[in-house]
Amino acid sequence: DTAVSQTPKYLVTQMGNDKSIKCEQNLGHDTMYWYKQDSKKFLKIMFSYNNKELIINETVPNRFSPKSPDKAHLNLHINSLELGDSAVYFCASSPTKRGGPSYEQYFGPGTRLTVT
Amino acid sequence: KNEVEQSPQNLTAQEGEFITINCSYSVGISALHWLQQHPGGGIVSLFMLSSGKKKHGRLIATINIQEKHSSLHITASHPRDSAVYICAVRLYGATNKLIFGTGTLLAVQP
Repeated sequence: DTAVSQTPKYLVTQMGNDKSIKCEQNLGHDTMYWYKQDSKKFLKIMFSYNNKELIINETVPNRFSPKSPDKAHLNLHINSLELGDSAVYFCASSPTKRGGPSYEQYFGPGTRLTVT
Repeated sequence: KNEVEQSPQNLTAQEGEFITINCSYSVGISALHWLQQHPGGGIVSLFMLSSGKKKHGRLIATINIQEKHSSLHITASHPRDSAVYICAVRLYGATNKLIFGTGTLLAVQP
């Protein structure tokens, strides 16, 4: 059974387009995350939702908009795609509650976005 | 300067060798994570620790909170251990934000 799934796995699109990446977890976790991994394999947090509430919003262009329709889903919509948006985007989830103890995070397989 | 530093950046070992990867951080943390990313790209959580030492199979992770340092050890290394190993810290406070190190690329040769 897939714990954290993302779709699509690969996404190739042209500059200026709008695209979405979907993430679902069936672990019953409270918190979900979006991370960006650049070409040097460096991971950075973008957003985090706890029970559908946005709790982390890093310095990310407002072309990126996360949406959490329910606790099990966290989608990422990107408007007006730019070349610099090319990266691998990872979704993750954890049982961690806001201000509570830490738990391991479970990562999705990643979505490789290529903007041409 | 990154708040989380790993060393070495690249490591090549012979099968069977004992391997150590180091992580130092400069911020207050509530927990430290060790992650493994295989060549295929998937990321797996190996350990989450806030004190002391944890062991899982051939992997051992230690943390010294006073010295702000953690180590990941691999005993009897095997080619299948070849991957990028990433250290990440959870900042002390209300959020669940992780800050990542730049990773250590490990290649274990047969």
